[in-house]
This record gives sequence, C-alpha cells and structure tokens, in this order.
Amino acid sequence: KQEVTQIPAALSVPEGENLVLNCSFTDSAIYNLQWFRQDPGKGLTSLLLIQSSQREQTSGRLNASLDKSSGRSTLYIAASQPGDSATYLCAVNSGYSTLTFGKGTMLLVSP
Amino acid sequence: DAGITQSPRYKITETGRQVTLMCHQTWSHSYMFWYRQDLGHGLRLIYYSAAADITDKGEVPDGYVVSRSKTENFPLTLESATRSQTSVYFCASSDEGRGGTDTQYFGPGTRLTVL
Repeated sequence: KQEVTQIPAALSVPEGENLVLNCSFTDSAIYNLQWFRQDPGKGLTSLLLIQSSQREQTSGRLNASLDKSSGRSTLYIAASQPGDSATYLCAVNSGYSTLTFGKGTMLLVSP
Repeated sequence: DAGITQSPRYKITETGRQVTLMCHQTWSHSYMFWYRQDLGHGLRLIYYSAAADITDKGEVPDGYVVSRSKTENFPLTLESATRSQTSVYFCASSDEGRGGTDTQYFGPGTRLTVL
C-alpha cells in the first residue's frame, strides 16, 4: 500500500525567503506526482504535475522535482510572499488515476 | 465555464438519515472521484468512476454508495449516516485514465455534519 509523508507538517517563514517542502512515498512504481495548494475552507488547486519519466516541472516561482528511485519529491518556492500562505499537499498516482495524498505542509509567510 | 461544482456546500443531518451529495462537471472528463478530508487522516479516496456506469471502491468505501448514469454527474449517497461520516467531501475529475497522465481538478467541497 502506497504511503505518502510530507515534512515539515508546518512551516513559518518571513516574506522573501526561498523554501523547500518535502514529500516521500514508499512505492516507487508511480505514474505521476501532483502538488496541490489548499486555502482554508477551500478546495484543492493543482500546482504542478510531474510524470514518472520527468525530473522536474516549473511554473513561475514554483519548481517541483521528482526522484522516483528514492521515493522523493520536493516543491521549491522562490521569493515567498504572504499570498503563498496555504497548505501544500503532495499526491501520488500509482495507477488507475487514483491518488494517495500526504497530510500536507501548512505554510505561513509573514510580511 | 463552471468546471466542477458540488451541492450542497454545507449539510447538517441526523444519524440514520440518508444523504446525497451531488457533483457535476462540465468538461466531459471520463474519470470522477470522491474523497473525504479529515483532520489527522488527510484526503482519502471513497469511490471513483472511470466512465458512465463504471465505478470502483477506493480506500474507505463502507457506508457509501455511488452511481454514474451520466458522464457529468457523480452523486455520493450515505445510506444511513453515522457520526463518523462527519467530514468534508471533495469531488474531483480528470481526463484520460490510461496511465494516469492527467491532472485532477477538485470541486469546492461539501462540509457534512452528522448529529
């Protein structure tokens, strides 16, 4: 059974700092990995999707990397802003489009 | 472009009652999913559907029933609600299930309270 772990559970940084969120998974036989953002009381918004054959994906200030063999992914956020404050969720697709989620990292960026 | 919608957004019911949560998507995506989100457990898959009239169980299907007679709708029914089913329920959809190549798009969620 696939298990996904996210570290740290919570992170507080001052505005402007670069930061890294970590995600690890137990079964390396994955199709893809997605990073989501969830604002309080809201649904999930997809940020980046990395296929199993890819090493990284970039969107604006976000960069996600994938090391399938070691079961790890990182989400790098450059020049963090208060508007980046949210919970970030990592989810692994091991087949049939079904996702296994980590419990998330709650990020607070203070002005 | 409405995307994916859920109704109701909030629901309070009593133990033993039947409750149906609705999910509707306008993209004609083949795959649809139901998740529940609980503190301490994160998001867990309840049921999913690869196409109309095709459904399958996820990680936590007990106490839930789904149907998919039309591609765009995927209702979730709690046949006899229990307090343990108090949760936030999210519907999602994606296109292309082969190899799991596509992004999942989530609805805004339904907050269900069972008294």
